[in-house]
Amino acid sequence: NAGVTQTPKFQVLKTGQSMTLQCAQDMNHEYMSWYRQDPGMGLRLIHYSVGAGITDQGEVPNGYNVSRSTTEDFPLRLLSAAPSQTSVYFCASSYSIVGSSYNEQFFGPGTRLTVL
Amino acid sequence: GDSVTQMEGPVTLSEEAFLTINCTYTATGYPSLFWYVQYPGEGLQLLLKATKADDKGSNKGFEATYRKETTSFHLEKGSVQVSDSAVYFCALMSNAGNMLTFGGGTRLMVKP
Repeated sequence: NAGVTQTPKFQVLKTGQSMTLQCAQDMNHEYMSWYRQDPGMGLRLIHYSVGAGITDQGEVPNGYNVSRSTTEDFPLRLLSAAPSQTSVYFCASSYSIVGSSYNEQFFGPGTRLTVL
Repeated sequence: GDSVTQMEGPVTLSEEAFLTINCTYTATGYPSLFWYVQYPGEGLQLLLKATKADDKGSNKGFEATYRKETTSFHLEKGSVQVSDSAVYFCALMSNAGNMLTFGGGTRLMVKP
């Protein structure tokens, strides 16, 4: 299994440009999520999905859109990039994360995004 | 809302030294607690976890005990190695929720 894969690894955008960060997992996980990592702030949840066709907002959703048309893929879209979105983005997945039943979240290697 | 506070780094130790990284949390109910590790250039990996009070999570020589009375989950290792150099994140998940809340991370540097 490849686990959780993310593309691209690095990206530089100009303010106002749009792009999609790709995330895929081959473990048949129901739950997928996107985090951003900023210095001294840990990881903050952007959006998550509990299954195909179902998405919801996390802690910092503004400026980002997601969709979940298949179990495997969970792309993150920046419609109009801003310098405040310069960050490292991580995708994660797990089998189930409802209530007290916890399964380990597996993280991708990350995408380092710079917005000029 | 839920929050996690961990000691700021970097923490610099010599090889074979004792390690403690403090973590305290604020949450309603009975959250599950986790330590994640991030090696340079990589994503996060689950290091250990504890799902109820007084549970001790352990892995690769690291340990942490879920202390509800002090709302703490401090990470310890008796003898660190250079290969332990990484960023360590404390995190929680509330029973009612479906998302992880992370602390700010603590960078550990171990010198030979």
